[in-house]
Amino acid sequence: EAAVTQSPRNKVAVTGGKVTLSCNQTNNHNNMYWYRQDTGHGLRLIHYSYGAGSTEKGDIPDGYKASRPSQENFSLILELATPSQTSVYFCASGDLGVSYEQYFGPGTRLTVL
Amino acid sequence: TQTVSQSDAHVTVFEGDSVELRCNYSYGGSIYLSWYIQHHGHGLQFLLKYYSGNPVVQGVNGFEAEFSKSDSSFHLRKASVHWSDSAVYFCAVSANTGYQNFYFGKGTSLTVIP
Repeated sequence: EAAVTQSPRNKVAVTGGKVTLSCNQTNNHNNMYWYRQDTGHGLRLIHYSYGAGSTEKGDIPDGYKASRPSQENFSLILELATPSQTSVYFCASGDLGVSYEQYFGPGTRLTVL
Repeated sequence: TQTVSQSDAHVTVFEGDSVELRCNYSYGGSIYLSWYIQHHGHGLQFLLKYYSGNPVVQGVNGFEAEFSKSDSSFHLRKASVHWSDSAVYFCAVSANTGYQNFYFGKGTSLTVIP
């Protein structure tokens, strides 16, 4: 079974501060994704990656950067956090060209004060 | 652009009842359709998917979904729900193209009363 872990699980940040959310997967999937989940919006794609060294913009990339230094790790970076970025963030991995299934991490609850 | 619509934000049933959670999509090409479940405080978990063949697909824990091209729908059903089925259910669509991403509906919260 695919294992996707996220850290931290909870984070409180100050406006203007830098936040890094980390994701690790152990199933050797090529694709990784960052979503945010907000009431009334469901899941929205922020950034994704096809493999180590690649990052692509999703549907709502403004204010976020991503980094994929290795097959296993995918980070989401908020250089200047704002209260509007308060949300629950989910990382996922998958090989959509093979199984078209995504495996999700447990989520990170971020609060920006 | 693909869109996914889940018309019911909340559904409440009693244990043992049958339930249908509705999903409609808009996309003209070849797609994968899937359902995910999210228990409170957890990430999403895959339930089932459809791409081609038999329009009725079976998933885990007695769930099944039926694809209808004419209705652009992929509704999820369960014949007899258990209180542990209480969760949020998400429908997702992914195009069978190089842009390998999912579009999720806003979710349907299912509450099963024991």
